[in-house]
Amino acid sequence: SAVISQKPSRDICQRGTSLTIQCQVDSQVTMMFWYRQQPGQSLTLIATANQGSEATYESGFVIDKFPISRPNLTFSTLTVSNMSPEDSSIYLCSVEGGATEAFFGQGTRLTVV
Amino acid sequence: GENVEQHPSTLSVQEGDSAVIKCTYSDSASNYFPWYKQELGKRPQLIIDIRSNVGEKKDQRIAVTLNKTAKHFSLHITETQPEDSAVYFCAASRNSGNTPLVFGKGTRLSVIA
Repeated sequence: SAVISQKPSRDICQRGTSLTIQCQVDSQVTMMFWYRQQPGQSLTLIATANQGSEATYESGFVIDKFPISRPNLTFSTLTVSNMSPEDSSIYLCSVEGGATEAFFGQGTRLTVV
Repeated sequence: GENVEQHPSTLSVQEGDSAVIKCTYSDSASNYFPWYKQELGKRPQLIIDIRSNVGEKKDQRIAVTLNKTAKHFSLHITETQPEDSAVYFCAASRNSGNTPLVFGKGTRLSVIA
């Protein structure tokens, strides 16, 4: 199993600013995944982060808006840039998930005002 | 890519009755099918999963069935209790730790005492 520490747990931000979310895993993992969960909705994959290479983004998500870093096998960050109220969501990082149980961070509840 | 459809979106049952949630998937190469329970304000928690080499799996009051030919799988909760009230998500992926999960839209289950 994996334990993921995600922070911040919540934040209220002004529109036009950026927020960086961090995820720290207690073991080395090849891939980390970032999801967005809009209010009352399901989890939508933003991107897959592989250490040592650029993240792979899903349709509808772009690097300029959601830059991701993956400096080592236990850590990743997601930045939500130039925020607008539509970015208000819960953001979750995850590891594993394909062959075994997926583990999630606690989530970051972002409110943009 | 994979597409997962989930029904119903909301479900109300009397305490002690059974609840059934159904999902279909599109990618015939998917072979890992987990179910997650998400309580308000919390991260998704795995409750049961099934792989394509198995048709049914049971864990106490929870069971999952899989029909690979028809590409659908179902969650069955028997003897429901008020604490079963939550949002349930099905998901699907290929059998690889490097493959992210694709989630259904979720079912809000309410168990009425």
